[in-house]
Amino acid sequence: AQSVTQLGSHVSVSEGALVLLRCNYSSSVPPYLFWYVQYPNQGLQLLLKYTSAATLVKGINGFEAEFKKSETSFHLTKPSAHMSDAAEYFCAVSGLNAGGTSYGKLTFGQGTILTVHP
Amino acid sequence: DGGITQSPKYLFRKEGQNVTLSCEQNLNHDAMYWYRQDPGQGLRLIYYSQIVNDFQKGDIAEGYSVSREKKESFPLTVTSAQKNPTAFYLCASSIRTGRNGVGNQPQHFGDGTRLSIL
Repeated sequence: AQSVTQLGSHVSVSEGALVLLRCNYSSSVPPYLFWYVQYPNQGLQLLLKYTSAATLVKGINGFEAEFKKSETSFHLTKPSAHMSDAAEYFCAVSGLNAGGTSYGKLTFGQGTILTVHP
Repeated sequence: DGGITQSPKYLFRKEGQNVTLSCEQNLNHDAMYWYRQDPGQGLRLIYYSQIVNDFQKGDIAEGYSVSREKKESFPLTVTSAQKNPTAFYLCASSIRTGRNGVGNQPQHFGDGTRLSIL
């Protein structure tokens, strides 16, 4: 079974500062990893995904994430925060089972609420 | 534009009543999912369906039921057996996942239905 841990339920940064949202996963097989963003009273939007093609993944809105197998991490970063980045962010893992199939069942982290101060 | 439509946006349930949440997609996706979101708990999978006329229980299926009679529709019924139904419900869809790494397909989400108890 796979699991996801997001360190820090709330992160606060100043506008223009670096954004770092942490995600650690556990999976018995190579995982697929995703970051989603959720604005209030809306569904989730895909920011980026890791599918083993490259360890540094670039997403929308200037976000990127680096897959580090040795640390079982997939942290999300953005060099310069904007007020519009304030939202809740979810890391999710989709693992292959022992039979080599995956049914797309995503396991989500608890979420990190990002606040951006002027 | 293709997407997922959830209705209604807000729903109220009376004691002992069953209510049905609608989810329709025009993305031509085979797979559809229902999640429940509670503050600080991330998303938890209720039911999912990989193909018409077939569906499987997720992690918290008790008190819920679904049907998948058409590819584009996956309604969720919250029954009176669900004693704590107040939550935000999200429907998602994706390309069907399975062998050969198709599990890397991201899920697309609707804007959710907020269910409350009267």
